[in-house]
Amino acid sequence: AQSVTQLGSHVSVSEGALVLLRCNYSSSVPPYLFWYVQYPNQGLQLLLKYTTGATLVKGINGFEAEFKKSETSFHLTKPSAHMSDAAEYFCAVSERGSEKLVFGKGTKLTVNP
Amino acid sequence: NAGVTQTPKFQVLKTGQSMTLQCAQDMNHEYMSWYRQDPGMGLRLIHYSVGAGITDQGEVPNGYNVSRSTTEDFPLRLLSAAPSQTSVYFCASGRPFSEAFFGQGTRLTVV
Repeated sequence: AQSVTQLGSHVSVSEGALVLLRCNYSSSVPPYLFWYVQYPNQGLQLLLKYTTGATLVKGINGFEAEFKKSETSFHLTKPSAHMSDAAEYFCAVSERGSEKLVFGKGTKLTVNP
Repeated sequence: NAGVTQTPKFQVLKTGQSMTLQCAQDMNHEYMSWYRQDPGMGLRLIHYSVGAGITDQGEVPNGYNVSRSTTEDFPLRLLSAAPSQTSVYFCASGRPFSEAFFGQGTRLTVV
């Protein structure tokens, strides 16, 4: 069964610092991989996704993620954090052929001035 | 363009009461789904539908019913509310392998 593990329920960075949010998945075959962002009191919004092809995926708001099959990872990065990046971030996986999207438990990002 | 609309935004129920959470989408998506979000648990799939008349269970279906009579609407019914169903409920539209569009959520408290 597919599962997602997000390391660190809370991450705190300074404005301008590198953002690194970790995600590892468990799946029998390389799945579709996603990062969603949730701002306070709102629904989730897609940041980026990996389905096939290039393993480095660029998303909105300057975020990117790299699919590493050997490490079963899909970590999210942003070179320079902005105050507006403060939110909760969810990694999600969908096995190819599945109609289900499985979410990690989320990482809350705090950006300090 | 409204996207996914959920009503109500907030609801307080007494144990044993029933209610229906409404979800409507205007993107003509065949696939719709319901999740619940609890602190430290992420989002967990309750039920999903791949088209009108077709529904299936997700990870946590107990205590919830769904039906899909039109492409646009996918209501979630709580037949006899329990305190364990206190949560934030999200409806989403769009296939998992593509992009799921989420509503703003319904915050439900069962007392």
